[in-house]
Amino acid sequence: SQTIHQWPATLVQPVGSPLSLECTVEGTSNPNLYWYRQAAGRGLQLLFYSVGIGQISSEVPQNLSASRPQDRQFILSSKKLLLSDSGFYLCAWSVLEGGDLTQETQYFGPGTRLLVL
Amino acid sequence: AQRVTQPEKLLSVFKGAPVELKCNYSYSGSPELFWYVQYSRQRLQLLLRHISRESIKGFTADLNKGETSFHLKKPFAQEEDSAMYYCALPYGQNFVFGPGTRLSVLP
Repeated sequence: SQTIHQWPATLVQPVGSPLSLECTVEGTSNPNLYWYRQAAGRGLQLLFYSVGIGQISSEVPQNLSASRPQDRQFILSSKKLLLSDSGFYLCAWSVLEGGDLTQETQYFGPGTRLLVL
Repeated sequence: AQRVTQPEKLLSVFKGAPVELKCNYSYSGSPELFWYVQYSRQRLQLLLRHISRESIKGFTADLNKGETSFHLKKPFAQEEDSAMYYCALPYGQNFVFGPGTRLSVLP
């Protein structure tokens, strides 16, 4: 069965420090991968998605970047964290069922709570 | 432990028919529940939260503490309602999402 892992679960970092959040998926091949962020009091916002190794699409301009060094590994990074980067980060994966874009089921990881001080 | 269940992975209804997406939760305190929707190839969006008691796009949801449920309802489904729907429960600094239900509204 498929499993998605995220770590760490909670992270407290000072402003200006670097960031690396990791997400890995097991039990599937060539998944689509996503990074979402939920800021306090707001809905989830799609940050990045990837349809393959080295293929990253950014949805919003920001202080963050993403990389996909392996098929089932998705990393969210920052060189210098800002206070506004605080939030709850979710990784998700999906596969297209039958190649139909309307039949895409997403599965979410447990999330990482990031607090920038 | 906090938990959210959505028993239906896929729900298909005809256009104009009523729809109910089920969500049950386990939580020891007083819950605050959300429904999120994701249309094909779009970002996950907040649909509604129980605390605001509002109707969005014709959808409503009532928190039933006795049954520990927060079912999402709409009296007349539209084709554009086809999407993935997630029930979510925040607790502390984290969220718990249900596995999601894919709603398919047939013409």
